[in-house]
Amino acid sequence: GENVEQHPSTLSVQEGDSAVIKCTYSDSASNYFPWYKQELGKRPQLIIDIRSNVGEKKDQRIAVTLNKTAKHFSLHITETQPEDSAVYFCAASITGAQKLVFGQGTRLTINP
Amino acid sequence: GAVVSQHPSWVICKSGTSVKIECRSLDFQATTMFWYRQFPKQSLMLMATSNEGSKATYEQGVEKDKFLINHASLTLSTLTVTSAHPEDSSFYICSGGRNTDTQYFGPGTRLTVL
Repeated sequence: GENVEQHPSTLSVQEGDSAVIKCTYSDSASNYFPWYKQELGKRPQLIIDIRSNVGEKKDQRIAVTLNKTAKHFSLHITETQPEDSAVYFCAASITGAQKLVFGQGTRLTINP
Repeated sequence: GAVVSQHPSWVICKSGTSVKIECRSLDFQATTMFWYRQFPKQSLMLMATSNEGSKATYEQGVEKDKFLINHASLTLSTLTVTSAHPEDSSFYICSGGRNTDTQYFGPGTRLTVL
């Protein structure tokens, strides 16, 4: 089955700097890759997603890149703000299956 | 987006008792919903796929007789933790989607078994 690896497990950056979180997946059939943000005790919230027919997607300060050949995808957050502090999870699934396999999570801390 | 609710948001029970958690899709119908478990500082682990009108599909290592799933309607799935023990204490989260890839999560239920 699918296996998703996420790095780093913790990341601390200065406010205003950029943060990058990377994930790799094992199943070449996976073609949908969402990123979720989870604050302590809360539900995961979808922040951006990408499908395998696209190499990059951007939404304001957040961007995701996908390299299908290498089977890895990354989350980029620019101009980080204190409210970006949270745990971020990447995930992978096959279109239609809806079943998500999550990475281990990255605890992002933005230092003021 | 889509709205998913869960009830209760938290529950404390004695060891050996059973606890039922409800997951509802409020503004869409879901033929499939998913149940996850999340231990502190860990990722979400898929427990089972809940299928409306049929049996749930459990992930490897998840005891189907312990975690009973019922998906009796297109807007309601329930998870019953039977004979709960302290090691079952966790954050249980459900998700659903509008027949698309995007999954929306419920607010979660924090279960504490004494």
